[in-house]
Amino acid sequence: GQQLNQSPQSMFIQEGEDVSMNCTSSSIFNTWLWYKQDPGEGPVLLIALYKAGELTSNGRLTAQFGITRKDSFLNISASIPSDVGIYFCAGQEGAQKLVFGQGTRLTINP
Amino acid sequence: EAEVAQSPRYKITEKSQAVAFWCDPISGHATLYWYRQILGQGPELLVQFQDESVVDDSQLPKDRFSAERLKGVDSTLKIQPAELGDSAMYLCASSRLASSNEQFFGPGTRLTVL
Repeated sequence: GQQLNQSPQSMFIQEGEDVSMNCTSSSIFNTWLWYKQDPGEGPVLLIALYKAGELTSNGRLTAQFGITRKDSFLNISASIPSDVGIYFCAGQEGAQKLVFGQGTRLTINP
Repeated sequence: EAEVAQSPRYKITEKSQAVAFWCDPISGHATLYWYRQILGQGPELLVQFQDESVVDDSQLPKDRFSAERLKGVDSTLKIQPAELGDSAMYLCASSRLASSNEQFFGPGTRLTVL
């Protein structure tokens, strides 16, 4: 099925570093969501974006809805060990189903 | 905090056997979703319910998969017969309204077909 292009696929960083990841689509979306998934668990909603250009923060996490409506970005500042996991973007157009990216696996070296 | 409940958490079965997964959404959430997540990929929608009615089952392999939400609350997803390629995580999610984009996921059922 249709999926978003999420990059990078994996990241290996040092604790305390900032993290940036992004998601692009060939389709226009009116909603972007960012989820985090720990091993063996379901995804947990981090941030929801509803307007082009919108910038929203949740603690050390900041996400932006791209002005073209075809991309979104997630930044994590001052990473800590509990940030380890897989981050998924998801986009939705109107009442259509959510389309998920392939995920970015974040590994943090202490 | 209200959560989506799923059971079992893990299921191992042999091919050609029948399996069933159960989901109880967050109380008051009218919309319920079943997703399949293959290892290394994002979730893909199998079926969406609005109350007890199916809204979208276009990606559900109907020759072997079935889903029901008889009273518009909890839901069951069944596979019969299971095939090797069905090994995956099966996730249930719910949202308050069909128009709500914010879906909340349960912990999932990890299915292994031998």
